[in-house]
Amino acid sequence: DIVMTQSPDSLAVSLGERATINCKSSQSVLYSSNNRNYLAWYQQKLGQPPKLLIYWASTRESGVPDRFSGSGSGTDFTLTISSLQAEDVAVYYCQQYYSAPFTFGPGTKVDIK
Amino acid sequence: EVQVVESGGGLVQPGRSLRLSCTASGFTFTDHAMSWVRQAPGKGLEWVGFIRSNLYGGTTEYAASVKGRFTISRDDSKSMVYLQMNSLKTEDTAVYHCTRGSLSAGGFSDVWGKGTTVTVSS
Repeated sequence: DIVMTQSPDSLAVSLGERATINCKSSQSVLYSSNNRNYLAWYQQKLGQPPKLLIYWASTRESGVPDRFSGSGSGTDFTLTISSLQAEDVAVYYCQQYYSAPFTFGPGTKVDIK
Repeated sequence: EVQVVESGGGLVQPGRSLRLSCTASGFTFTDHAMSWVRQAPGKGLEWVGFIRSNLYGGTTEYAASVKGRFTISRDDSKSMVYLQMNSLKTEDTAVYHCTRGSLSAGGFSDVWGKGTTVTVSS
């Protein structure tokens, strides 16, 4: 099974500042035949189901603000919130869908400083 | 509106069974794999398993923690997916989310239900 890790466990960022979350997979999730990274990011606000933010490591889901961006390839990935807004307070999860079981990272909690 | 809605949760004793249902609407159900993801109280997300579309044989995959106890099935005529949970353990207590897979053979979860709560306790 592919193990997903995230860092940090939590972070507090001032409004308007940048937040960066890292995600690492225990093996590559880059599928060579199509050059796609099978990595997604989700946002979960308190009391709500998760919401898809980013897929294929860097493609923003429709309706997601462009302050959210994803990057990385192979085993190392990053979710960046370029200018943190109050409504971005949430837990963020990465997930690999390269091979079953489609494991999630443990989550990173983002708060306002 | 594209949505999935879970039902069937409740309180069940350890060792007993429970079946969850998920009703999909607003999209072509047969084009998508369907997954179950759970979240224990105060914990992170745990992928439970998924079923591919019948284009890919309707085959299933499961997390090790539920393999042999849980079974996912689908009824394309009703746009429904099921999670049959047998030999339940206290550690199966969680909110269970049904999700739509972006691909027929799997993919990321692009539509999530609000979840149904399963409590396993004597």
